[in-house]
Amino acid sequence: DTEVTQTPKHLVMGMTNKKSLKCEQHMGHRAMYWYKQKAKKPPELMFVYSYEKLSINESVPSRFSPECPNSSLLNLHLHALQPEDSALYLCASSSTGTGGKGYTFGSGTRLTVV
Amino acid sequence: AQTVTQSQPEMSVQEAETVTLSCTYDTSENNYYLFWYKQPPSRQMILVIRQEAYKQQNATENRFSVNFQKAAKSFSLKISDSQLGDTAMYFCAFNNAGNMLTFGGGTRLMVKP
Repeated sequence: DTEVTQTPKHLVMGMTNKKSLKCEQHMGHRAMYWYKQKAKKPPELMFVYSYEKLSINESVPSRFSPECPNSSLLNLHLHALQPEDSALYLCASSSTGTGGKGYTFGSGTRLTVV
Repeated sequence: AQTVTQSQPEMSVQEAETVTLSCTYDTSENNYYLFWYKQPPSRQMILVIRQEAYKQQNATENRFSVNFQKAAKSFSLKISDSQLGDTAMYFCAFNNAGNMLTFGGGTRLMVKP
């Protein structure tokens, strides 16, 4: 299995809703990432998990809450989002210890906040 | 901190022709990796080609090749025999020996029939 699977593919939520994005990989990667991508822009790093521990939080607002229940799963819990949070949310994974192999990305969740 | 610059926001090429996308980067490190990612309208970021900085030989993957100039900190992507399926956003990316990818701003490539 050489894929990163993200669900759902599309999500529309109100500003008072609570929802979660899910990411799963079975490549044995021990580093996992959440990115936010606006249209025609590069991905922006949000969070990095290494060996199931949060190692980097790029000053992301607390309405975004990441969780890594095990080495294969990564969740992003959403609460009280704003319309400007509408974007493509990408999950990625990589092996740790070297940057040489690059990341494997999922196909993303298109989030619309209304 | 590393920076990656793609100076061509948009490019177009006729089908079957060759196109070159530019990328420059800035780093003080000696050991690093460079990548080109493709993001078609389907949204998934797909790794096209990778280059290890300590290797002088330019990487090649089928119709895709790079021109890596380490002293000039330049890493361009050449696509030969362009196909309609090559239409996508292309991102140049830098990774040091750790796990942090730094992306350039992207180049939107349109292949015309």
